[in-house]
Amino acid sequence: DGGITQSPKYLFRKEGQNVTLSCEQNLNHDAMYWYRQDPGQGLRLIYYSQIVNDFQKGDIAEGYSVSREKKESFPLTVTSAQKNPTAFYLCASSISLAGGPGGANVLTFGAGSRLTVL
Amino acid sequence: GQNIDQPTEMTATEGAIVQINCTYQTSGFNGLFWYQQHAGEAPTFLSYNVLDGLEEKGRFSSFLSRSKGYSYLLLKELQMKDSASYLCAVINDYKLSFGAGTTVTVRA
Repeated sequence: DGGITQSPKYLFRKEGQNVTLSCEQNLNHDAMYWYRQDPGQGLRLIYYSQIVNDFQKGDIAEGYSVSREKKESFPLTVTSAQKNPTAFYLCASSISLAGGPGGANVLTFGAGSRLTVL
Repeated sequence: GQNIDQPTEMTATEGAIVQINCTYQTSGFNGLFWYQQHAGEAPTFLSYNVLDGLEEKGRFSSFLSRSKGYSYLLLKELQMKDSASYLCAVINDYKLSFGAGTTVTVRA
């Protein structure tokens, strides 16, 4: 079955440590995204990537970094510079960028990674 | 900026109908999505509207009025499994901006 796999599902880290969240998709989608979800707030876009070796900052990129070396993979690193990293992180992909040529490109989401910084 | 508003919570009885409203003020508009998200799980796609009017998919329907910046998701014949959060999201160019979500609780 095609889908998006995020790992780990739960992660605990101490303050000051960098953490990398994995996101792998086998849907052959070009576009991939990272969102952060906090209670009482909508999903907020951290980074997105339209194609391999290219990515763009979203609304809340500070303290995060990404890479897109392979089409299937879009890992997110939460660095020590992120002031409030405890959150639920969702990775998503779509055939091409949402709202791009071709109309609606439905995002498929992974099951999420819950990061708690102690 | 983007402003997408939804009610925080709604409660309804099994078998009833619930309407979740979403109003938006965005710098551009290329379409509106509704997603369902059960607690701790991935959001799943429910519907997409780009033109004014009603889109029906089984027990779920979604309506859009672009001139009013307004959409609603209608859930009919509610089932216990419909207890979830419902997310309204607006496409503006490449970006999908989400509302905070409406938590629907279905009671027996």
